Amino acid sequence: NAGVTQTPKFQVLKTGQSMTLQCAQDMNHNSMYWYRQDPGMGLRLIYYSASEGTTDKGEVPNGYNVSRLNKREFSLRLESAAPSQTSVYFCASTVSGTSGETQYFGPGTRLLVL
Amino acid sequence: GQQLNQSPQSMFIQEGEDVSMNCTSSSIFNTWLWYKQDPGEGPVLLIALYKAGELTSNGRLTAQFGITRKDSFLNISASIPSDVGIYFCAGTGTGGFKTIFGAGTRLFVKA
Repeated sequence: NAGVTQTPKFQVLKTGQSMTLQCAQDMNHNSMYWYRQDPGMGLRLIYYSASEGTTDKGEVPNGYNVSRLNKREFSLRLESAAPSQTSVYFCASTVSGTSGETQYFGPGTRLLVL
Repeated sequence: GQQLNQSPQSMFIQEGEDVSMNCTSSSIFNTWLWYKQDPGEGPVLLIALYKAGELTSNGRLTAQFGITRKDSFLNISASIPSDVGIYFCAGTGTGGFKTIFGAGTRLFVKA
């Protein structure tokens, strides 16, 4: 049981390049999320997927697209990277039980856009 | 939109001291979560709280879900050097899927 996995761990892009960040979870969770973390700002939600086949915008969706490929996988795409997208990106998945929701995070992808 | 105010922003303490941090909001939350993040790692869940008034412990950590549902605190007793890191509170409000995070409390422990 690997939990939430993310690839790549590090990436350097030039302005205007595109790339896809991959995320997978093996916990059979319905909901998956993409966050970005910037110094002093905590975690901000980019997009989320409440269930397979659905995606919704979070707090900071501009410049990103997502795909919920199946229940396990949720990818984040930068079509034309900008320096403002330099950040650490975290994927998370959520289990909903009778008590409430609990969220589990991947190890992160560190992205530098030059 | 919903916001969480987490305080203090940072704490410098001596090994063995107790630590307290808290989060407040103007909105009601259904779930409060506390995470710890080590450098270069993702946040790791410490404690999850699901009911107003709930008090939950995990080893030297104790957290409470405020009775107004608008606040939560985390206490760490007898701190040790490996407690160093960033602690985040997070809340999930009504209407489900979006979890809001505080800006974090950076804890430094001097041996």
